[in-house]
Amino acid sequence: QSVLTQPPSASGTPGQRVTISCSGSSSNIGTNYVYWYQQLPGTAPKLLIYRNNQRPSGVPDRFSGSKSGTSASLAISGLRSEDEADYYCAAWDDSLSGWVFGGGTKLTVL
Amino acid sequence: EVPLVESGGGLVKPGGSLRLSCAASGFTFRNAWMSWVRQAPGKGLEWVGRIKSSSDGGTTDHAAPVKGRFTISREDSKNTLYLQMNSLKTEDTAVYYCTTNSGSDRYFDYWGQGTLVTVSS
Repeated sequence: QSVLTQPPSASGTPGQRVTISCSGSSSNIGTNYVYWYQQLPGTAPKLLIYRNNQRPSGVPDRFSGSKSGTSASLAISGLRSEDEADYYCAAWDDSLSGWVFGGGTKLTVL
Repeated sequence: EVPLVESGGGLVKPGGSLRLSCAASGFTFRNAWMSWVRQAPGKGLEWVGRIKSSSDGGTTDHAAPVKGRFTISREDSKNTLYLQMNSLKTEDTAVYYCTTNSGSDRYFDYWGQGTLVTVSS
């Protein structure tokens, strides 16, 4: 069971906006930054959002992140078929003195 | 261009040992903090541990499930990160990724392509 909680699945149609939630606690999300990773089928994870809402260069502005209290969200607007992937949230946990991940959300583009 | 290439994975029996390597290029390895992250088949991501840069002391942190069995080390002269895995268990079966830890908050930035470790009798 993962320390951070994500819904196992999400879906949307092309052009739609979808959000993926990530719930934690005061020792991780409540105190530290949240990061999001995209894992396309058969590939390594890729950094999508860092420090709650920052996009690395090359990541489209269709992807955005937010954080409030002990929860965070990833929003994808203008959904495209190539967005079909697994998405993971991550944060440092002060109590565990280590990095923790969500269980991952499989996004399906219908 | 992926600057991290893992190697050393394979099939090993429970109780056995294996050493993974991660060859780095395209950045100043000696200044980088590095981590190992694993992913069991069909499962999510799990942090294994990290090593600080030599200039920051080169100390290591290991996650609870592997503490005392796995050891992370580095050889800056060869731009290489290692993961020594001893007393392997079937639940250690996973793809193992090496990653760079960037920024003051040391988040996972670049990832290698991963190497598969299968622990089975």
